[in-house]
Amino acid sequence: AQRVTQPEKLLSVFKGAPVELKCNYSYSGSPELFWYVQYSRQRLQLLLRHISRESIKGFTADLNKGETSFHLKKPFAQEEDSAMYYCALSVQAGTALIFGKGTTLSVSS
Amino acid sequence: KAGVTQTPRYLIKTRGQQVTLSCSPISGHRSVSWYQQTPGQGLQFLFEYFSETQRNKGNFPGRFSGRQFSNSRSEMNVSTLELGDSALYLCASQLAGQGGANYGYTFGSGTRLTVV
Repeated sequence: AQRVTQPEKLLSVFKGAPVELKCNYSYSGSPELFWYVQYSRQRLQLLLRHISRESIKGFTADLNKGETSFHLKKPFAQEEDSAMYYCALSVQAGTALIFGKGTTLSVSS
Repeated sequence: KAGVTQTPRYLIKTRGQQVTLSCSPISGHRSVSWYQQTPGQGLQFLFEYFSETQRNKGNFPGRFSGRQFSNSRSEMNVSTLELGDSALYLCASQLAGQGGANYGYTFGSGTRLTVV
């Protein structure tokens, strides 16, 4: 069965520090991976899709099939990055998104 | 264009009652999924509909059911409510069906259900 693991419940960093939110997945095939973000009192929003290889708000994520990981990175954290981040896996379009438990990122000045 | 709309935003129900939640997807989106979000279990998949057909179902009891209409709007029903059903119920829609390009899901704000 597919599974997504986010090992850190909380990650606290100072403004300007690098950030890496870890995500590991379990799936024998070729998954489609996503990062979603939920800011305080806002809806869950799509941040990144691995297939698009884009950079949003300075965040990037690279799919490492050998390590079955999809870590989210940002070189310099900003206070407005404070939010809950969820890694999610989908087998293909139109199927269920399997979410990790989420990591709360707290950026302080 | 309008996002995913869920109604109502808040509901308070008594144990044993039933409840129906509504979701209007983004115009043109034909795939609609439902998720339950709780502090303890996080985001859990309930079911997914495409063209009025349920294609995927998560590990929830039969008290949880849903349907999709010809205009892609979807409803979710929970019968014989239990205290543990208290949660934020999220609806999400997607442009493509199975096999198409995966743009990810767009989520609604959710319906906060409290069972007392």
